[in-house]
Amino acid sequence: AQTVTQSQPEMSVQEAETVTLSCTYDTSESDYYLFWYKQPPSRQMILVIRQEAYKQQNATENRFSVNFQKAAKSFSLKISDSQLGDAAMYFCAYRGGGSQGNLIFGKGTKLSVKP
Amino acid sequence: SAVISQKPSRDICQRGTSLTIQCQVDSQVTMMFWYRQQPGQSLTLIATANQGSEATYESGFVIDKFPISRPNLTFSTLTVSNMSPEDSSIYLCSVSGRGLGTDTQYFGPGTRLTVL
Repeated sequence: AQTVTQSQPEMSVQEAETVTLSCTYDTSESDYYLFWYKQPPSRQMILVIRQEAYKQQNATENRFSVNFQKAAKSFSLKISDSQLGDAAMYFCAYRGGGSQGNLIFGKGTKLSVKP
Repeated sequence: SAVISQKPSRDICQRGTSLTIQCQVDSQVTMMFWYRQQPGQSLTLIATANQGSEATYESGFVIDKFPISRPNLTFSTLTVSNMSPEDSSIYLCSVSGRGLGTDTQYFGPGTRLTVL
């Protein structure tokens, strides 16, 4: 069975600085997708970034980028120029390559941003 | 992405009663999912609702406790039956497929349920 591990329950970053959130996963599949979702106190799950496993190039979305290491099964999220609005729970998620694959979530990392 | 709404946004219910949560999407989707997020925890998939077929439940979740309807491609309901305080959670629906693509799920705003 696939598993997703986030080893950092809490992280803190100074406003305008850079922070990296860690995520590792375990799977025997070769085709899959990885995601980072953000959940602010409003509880809405917001898609931050996604990565297809077959793509070697790391995904980027504005201030958010990932470091995808397929062999190491690692998928970290880097947030540059951190803003107060980035404070939230961040969940790493895995989805298998099948058309009906379900999301498997890590336990989450709570990110605080200090002004 | 899509505009996804859930009703109610929150509710406080008495033990032994039932609550039906609605999930509405502004475009047709293939898959609709229901998740539970217990306090301070991550998300756990309850079931997958496909239009025109029975919902598929994950281990630990049964239809009698969490009946699901999916009458069309834009709407689904989840009922939490015979509630107990342990059912106090956030319930989220998510969608994928059709114009959204099959590989990414988009979430509704969630329903915060408190059972007394």
